[in-house]
Amino acid sequence: NAGVTQTPKFQVLKTGQSMTLQCAQDMNHEYMSWYRQDPGMGLRLIHYSVGAGITDQGEVPNGYNVSRSTTEDFPLRLLSAAPSQTSVYFCASTEAFLRAGYGYTFGSGTRLTVV
Amino acid sequence: AQTVTQSQPEMSVQEAETVTLSCTYDTSESNYYLFWYKQPPSRQMILVIRQEAYKQQNATENRFSVNFQKAAKSFSLKISDSQLGDTAMYFCALGQGAQKLVFGQGTRLTINP
Repeated sequence: NAGVTQTPKFQVLKTGQSMTLQCAQDMNHEYMSWYRQDPGMGLRLIHYSVGAGITDQGEVPNGYNVSRSTTEDFPLRLLSAAPSQTSVYFCASTEAFLRAGYGYTFGSGTRLTVV
Repeated sequence: AQTVTQSQPEMSVQEAETVTLSCTYDTSESNYYLFWYKQPPSRQMILVIRQEAYKQQNATENRFSVNFQKAAKSFSLKISDSQLGDTAMYFCALGQGAQKLVFGQGTRLTINP
């Protein structure tokens, strides 16, 4: 099925551990983003990419790293997990807004708990 | 900076009633898009409806429609003939370019039988 695939769906980490959240899309979308969702705060942008080899920071980038070596994949790395990074993480992709105006397609999310 | 505000943290209506969710936004750009996303308990983010700022006509998708007031920077969502399956968190979002969406805080909508 076409769409955005995120893995894992759930993860528990210990403080200081590192991990990578995987995101893949098969719609040939140029634009991909990572958001985190916290209660009462909506979704906030962590990092985004406008194409392979191009990434930039969003609103809350500290503690996270990204790379975009292919159009399809956009992994999010937690360098040294902290309890403040406990959240639900969403990956999303879209074609260029000004061309299509579709809106983003979201993955099913990863619930991350840091203890 | 772009901001999106949803002033109703929670709403509750009876099945078959009409409900309106409020959203206000702020941007200095003239070309942008507005969206309503639904997030049911499954956590999936589902696009409900979208509006292009340069279009004056309000968008409609079946039982869902918007009231887009560009001068007032208001973008409300009306759900007609509400159904139990409409129970979810609803997010208003502002998009400028493809780099990012700015989300409101969300409104938790409960449809009661």
